[in-house]
Amino acid sequence: GQQVMQIPQYQHVQEGEDFTTYCNSSTTLSNIQWYKQRPGGHPVFLIQLVKSGEVKKQKRLTFQFGEAKKNSSLHITATQTTDVGTYFCAVNSGYSTLTFGKGTMLLVSP
Amino acid sequence: SAVISQKPSRDICQRGTSLTIQCQVDSQVTMMFWYRQQPGQSLTLIATANQGSEATYESGFVIDKFPISRPNLTFSTLTVSNMSPEDSSIYLCSVGDRATGELFFGEGSRLTVL
Repeated sequence: GQQVMQIPQYQHVQEGEDFTTYCNSSTTLSNIQWYKQRPGGHPVFLIQLVKSGEVKKQKRLTFQFGEAKKNSSLHITATQTTDVGTYFCAVNSGYSTLTFGKGTMLLVSP
Repeated sequence: SAVISQKPSRDICQRGTSLTIQCQVDSQVTMMFWYRQQPGQSLTLIATANQGSEATYESGFVIDKFPISRPNLTFSTLTVSNMSPEDSSIYLCSVGDRATGELFFGEGSRLTVL
């Protein structure tokens, strides 16, 4: 099935700093999804990217899908303590099934 | 969207015992997915539960260890059999939105095996 590498594994920032996590695949992806999991919570869907070169924004979050559809990024501008959690990318690995990246844990210090 | 209820939310179990996790969805769905999330790790798909047919297991997971039931379109159970400390994980039930592909997750069942 599809495999996706996600980096960094962990990042600790000061509140107000920016944050970016990256997902990379060796093969072309049909689409990519992003999820956020707060500490002690369950994953919550953020967005799905489908088109080559697609860029979507949700307030301070910017999601990009590479031109070759092999990589994606999630960028948070001016992080806040509410952004704390683990961010996962996920790709289709079969009929209606998703494979998740290892996730990037974000810690934000006030 | 879908609302998913899982129980138990957490349990502490003894080695060698089995535990059944229940998952109830507020709407009828064809497929339900069971994921495992080991401490500090990502989510790993255990199996896909289809109503009216056998569950489809991912590589590394077998029916004897993780039997699944899917008696109707809103309910599924996952049993973790003959547990060992390595089975200590969060087990998550999820369903997908056919239109968007988005997955909705239950709150998870946190198992600790002593």
